[in-house]
Amino acid sequence: GQQLNQSPQSMFIQEGEDVSMNCTSSSIFNTWLWYKQDPGEGPVLLIALYKAGELTSNGRLTAQFGITRKDSFLNISASIPSDVGIYFCAGRINSGGSNYKLTFGKGTLLTVNP
Amino acid sequence: NAGVTQTPKFQVLKTGQSMTLQCAQDMNHNSMYWYRQDPGMGLRLIYYSASEGTTDKGEVPNGYNVSRLNKREFSLRLESAAPSQTSVYFCASSESIGQPQHFGDGTRLSIL
Repeated sequence: GQQLNQSPQSMFIQEGEDVSMNCTSSSIFNTWLWYKQDPGEGPVLLIALYKAGELTSNGRLTAQFGITRKDSFLNISASIPSDVGIYFCAGRINSGGSNYKLTFGKGTLLTVNP
Repeated sequence: NAGVTQTPKFQVLKTGQSMTLQCAQDMNHNSMYWYRQDPGMGLRLIYYSASEGTTDKGEVPNGYNVSRLNKREFSLRLESAAPSQTSVYFCASSESIGQPQHFGDGTRLSIL
């Protein structure tokens, strides 16, 4: 089955710094999604990407769908304490019977020191 | 502004007991999903329902059953709970199969 490698596993940064995390896949995806999970809550969708090369921003967040369709990255600029949480990437292959399946990365735990 | 609502939020069971986790969405979504989240494992799909009246197995269906009661509600049942089923369970829904999924806040289940 498809596997997503998400890195880094964890990050400790100072408030105001920029952050970058990425996901790579052994398979070609046609959708990439980025979610954030706060402690005690469910994942919340941040950004959805549907085309190779697509670059999408949501406030201080920017995500890109890699040209090879096997990777995606998420950048956070000028981090603030409320950026703390676990960030998940998820990818989907459009292949008929497997159309339901989102494959999730294992997450990047972000800690922001004030 | 509820989105996806899961009940209960916390539950402790003894091995062998049965339990049904409830999920309801108010977004008129066609597709619904159940995941479990374990440390270091990410989110793993248990069962999903592409549309009202259909259900299918995901990655880790053993020990679980589901019911799509109507378009809004999708329940997950543990018939005979085992300690290996201790986990956080998330329900999600999407407009249709393959669209971005929206998650509830989870049910934290411990089985002793």
